[in-house]
Amino acid sequence: DVKVTQSSRYLVKRTGEKVFLECVQDMDHENMFWYRQDPGLGLRLIYFSYDVKMKEKGDIPEGYSVSREKKERFSLILESASTNQTSMYLCASSLSGGSTDTQYFGPGTRLTVL
Amino acid sequence: QKEVEQNSGPLSVPEGAIASLNCTYSDRVSQSFFWYRQYSGKSPELIMSIYSNGDKEDGRFTAQLNKASQYVSLLIRDSQPSDSATYLCAVKDGGFKTIFGAGTRLFVKA
Repeated sequence: DVKVTQSSRYLVKRTGEKVFLECVQDMDHENMFWYRQDPGLGLRLIYFSYDVKMKEKGDIPEGYSVSREKKERFSLILESASTNQTSMYLCASSLSGGSTDTQYFGPGTRLTVL
Repeated sequence: QKEVEQNSGPLSVPEGAIASLNCTYSDRVSQSFFWYRQYSGKSPELIMSIYSNGDKEDGRFTAQLNKASQYVSLLIRDSQPSDSATYLCAVKDGGFKTIFGAGTRLFVKA
């Protein structure tokens, strides 16, 4: 079974803090993704990575950065947290690109920025 | 902007009935279509994928795809209270990105 883990289930941070969210997958998947999920808006892609040290912007990259130094680990960084970044953050991984590739999700991190 | 549209619901059906969930997408070059189930407070889990026109059955679930109409549906037969969840439709072209709908909330009444 594919296992995707995230470093925290719940986080509370203050405005202006630097926040790190970590994601680890154990199935040697090439691709990793960070989404945020907000009521009524569905999942929105923040960044993705298709290889070590490679990253691509998704639909809403502003205020975020990412790091992928090892194949199994993909980190999301909020450089200076703001209240509008309060959300559920979901990490996902997939084996490779292509039309039949499916994504497997981690349990999510619910971040609250005060 | 590629879009995937779903009725947000809630869709309420009695136990044992057929639940029908619908999804439309805007990008004609979309190749792959997925249904994910998400329980409250949990992450999405894949339940069905479909790649060609027609029906695909897996247990109580049937996915239907009509590329000409840009329409995907999910039928759940003999609905159970444990099927109560949000169902996300997702669409993929040949690249890396998957576009998700906002989801339809389903309630199955015992």
